[in-house]
Amino acid sequence: ELKVEQNPLFLSMQEGKNYTIYCNYSTTSDRLYWYRQDPGKSLESLFVLLSNGAVKQEGRLMASLDTKARLSTLHITAAVHDLSATYFCAVVLYNTDKLIFGTGTRLQVFP
Amino acid sequence: GAVVSQHPSRVICKSGTSVKIECRSLDFQATTMFWYRQFPKKSLMLMATSNEGSKATYEQGVEKDKFLINHASLTLSTLTVTSAHPEDSSFYICSTGTYRDFGYEQYFGPGTRLTVT
Repeated sequence: ELKVEQNPLFLSMQEGKNYTIYCNYSTTSDRLYWYRQDPGKSLESLFVLLSNGAVKQEGRLMASLDTKARLSTLHITAAVHDLSATYFCAVVLYNTDKLIFGTGTRLQVFP
Repeated sequence: GAVVSQHPSRVICKSGTSVKIECRSLDFQATTMFWYRQFPKKSLMLMATSNEGSKATYEQGVEKDKFLINHASLTLSTLTVTSAHPEDSSFYICSTGTYRDFGYEQYFGPGTRLTVT
């Protein structure tokens, strides 16, 4: 059974600071996604990571993937209030099109 | 990108009644759609895979008689919550997808918030 865990579950950080969210998964997968969810809204796709060592960046967010360690990170640089949201990683169940979601990290950025 | 719509966006129903949620793929034909539920401040849990023209495939622990899925056309899947109870109150999200060069990518609907009183 594929399990996907994130930590921390909740992150309160000051504007301008850096932090990293971790996503660990338990079995082999060939794709990992990061999504953002605002309160009461659906999911916004941020990144898809396809291979070991993949790194993608968009604005203040950078995601990476280590398939050997079964670990992905989402790094936040110089956080701003607009980044406040819940972030989910999701892993594709091998040989299927199903997504298994992580536990989510609720990020709150304060002045 | 693909656009997926859901209707209604919010619904309140009384305990014991049934409620239907529609999921439409607006940009392309979807032979497969997925249904998720999300409890407050929790993650998304895959409920079932909806297959056009055939029976849905339910995840372990999801009651197929309670959550009826119909995928009668390539653009519409419906989820009916039968004999709803307060514990069915949740945020229901559907998705569809398409194959890109790296594999299958899902696009998510805006969600339907169900409150059962």
